[in-house]
Amino acid sequence: DAKTTQPPSMDCAEGRAANLPCNHSTISGNEYVYWYRQIHSQGPQYIIHGLKNNETNEMASLIITEDRKSSTLILPHATLRDTAVYYCIVRVGWSGYGNKLVFGAGTILRVKS
Amino acid sequence: EAQVTQNPRYLITVTGKKLTVTCSQNMNHEYMSWYRQDPGLGLRQIYYSMNVEVTDKGDVPEGYKVSRKEKRNFPLILESPSPNQTSLYFCASSGDGDRTLEAFFGQGTRLTVV
Repeated sequence: DAKTTQPPSMDCAEGRAANLPCNHSTISGNEYVYWYRQIHSQGPQYIIHGLKNNETNEMASLIITEDRKSSTLILPHATLRDTAVYYCIVRVGWSGYGNKLVFGAGTILRVKS
Repeated sequence: EAQVTQNPRYLITVTGKKLTVTCSQNMNHEYMSWYRQDPGLGLRQIYYSMNVEVTDKGDVPEGYKVSRKEKRNFPLILESPSPNQTSLYFCASSGDGDRTLEAFFGQGTRLTVV
């Protein structure tokens, strides 16, 4: 699985968009980009994933560059409850090995009022 | 409501006293996993199960056992807990096909072994 690089921390004003970057320059053609978050010692929560195209759901948008070497998770209107550690994970969609998710250090997002 | 339920949420025990942490999911998912989370080490997979009666070791299986007798349940067993198993434990489940890596995690079990 490709390695990812994320900034260790970011701040965002409440109500503004939070843009969380992730670099994955060694990503292969069959690897997806997944985003999870973990709110203070709670279980990680799936947010969104994508392969090539930009994706949007009720929680966030995922923008993947054309060369797929980086991506950005966008929380359009961040709230205090979005304060969490955000993990970018690059994985083959199905490996047959128990769907292991490898969580790196992630980005600590602090939403401030 | 789709959920993964772990019990107990908090547990303090003594070295060597067998314990079981239960995990149950209501989504009819095939895949279930156990992770532990430690400061500076992130989340590491302990064991996983691809279906009933099919289990396999993850990255840190030593000192743990699991079973998958029913699809919904995946208990984690510590036969003889030791202090180095003090950790935050998460159970996760996911379905098949396109949603295979959209995992649902339980709320966690904070275990302290003294």
